[in-house]
Amino acid sequence: QQKVQQSPESLIVPEGGMASLNCTFSDRNSQYFWWYRQHSGEGPKALMSIFSNGDKKEGRFTAHLNKASLHVSLHIKDSQPSDSALYFCAVSGSGSWQLIFGSGTQLTVMP
Amino acid sequence: GPKVLQIPSHQIIDMGQMVTLNCDPVSNHLYFYWYKQILGQQMEFLVNFYNGKVMEKSKLFKDQFSVERPDGSYFTLKIQPTALEDSAVYFCASSSGTVSNERLFFGHGTKLSVL
Repeated sequence: QQKVQQSPESLIVPEGGMASLNCTFSDRNSQYFWWYRQHSGEGPKALMSIFSNGDKKEGRFTAHLNKASLHVSLHIKDSQPSDSALYFCAVSGSGSWQLIFGSGTQLTVMP
Repeated sequence: GPKVLQIPSHQIIDMGQMVTLNCDPVSNHLYFYWYKQILGQQMEFLVNFYNGKVMEKSKLFKDQFSVERPDGSYFTLKIQPTALEDSAVYFCASSSGTVSNERLFFGHGTKLSVL
């Protein structure tokens, strides 16, 4: 059974700073990786996907994937107070209909 | 952007009663999901549904749970009978393709309180 763990549980960064979120997964057959963000009172919203090893940049957000080390990360540059939310890493494998969410990182960006 | 609507936003019922949670997915989406979230923490996969069938379900999807989408109407999650541990926020999601390459669109959730 796939296990997806995130660290840290909570993170506080100053406005304009860099936030780095980490995610490890247990199934070496995992192939598809997503980052979702959930603001209070809402459902999660997809931020970006990454399917190949290396970096993928979308605006202020950069995802990094290393399948060999079972690790995926998200880096948020120039963090804004509106980035304050619960961030989830989500993983699925080939032939699976499940998207398994990690434990979440609560990000707070202080003005 | 595309929106998933969930009705009601909050439901309070007595333990042992039946409850139906309703979801109006994005109009052209074909894949539907239910997730459970407790205390604003981890999103737990319950079930996914495609072409009128349950494709995959987790251990959390107990025998008391069922899903259906009759004739393209609401995608529903029914719990009968409910238990205290069913109290949570239930999120519906839909997608146009499989989870491998298509993002899921989530509703705002239905908070279920079982007394």
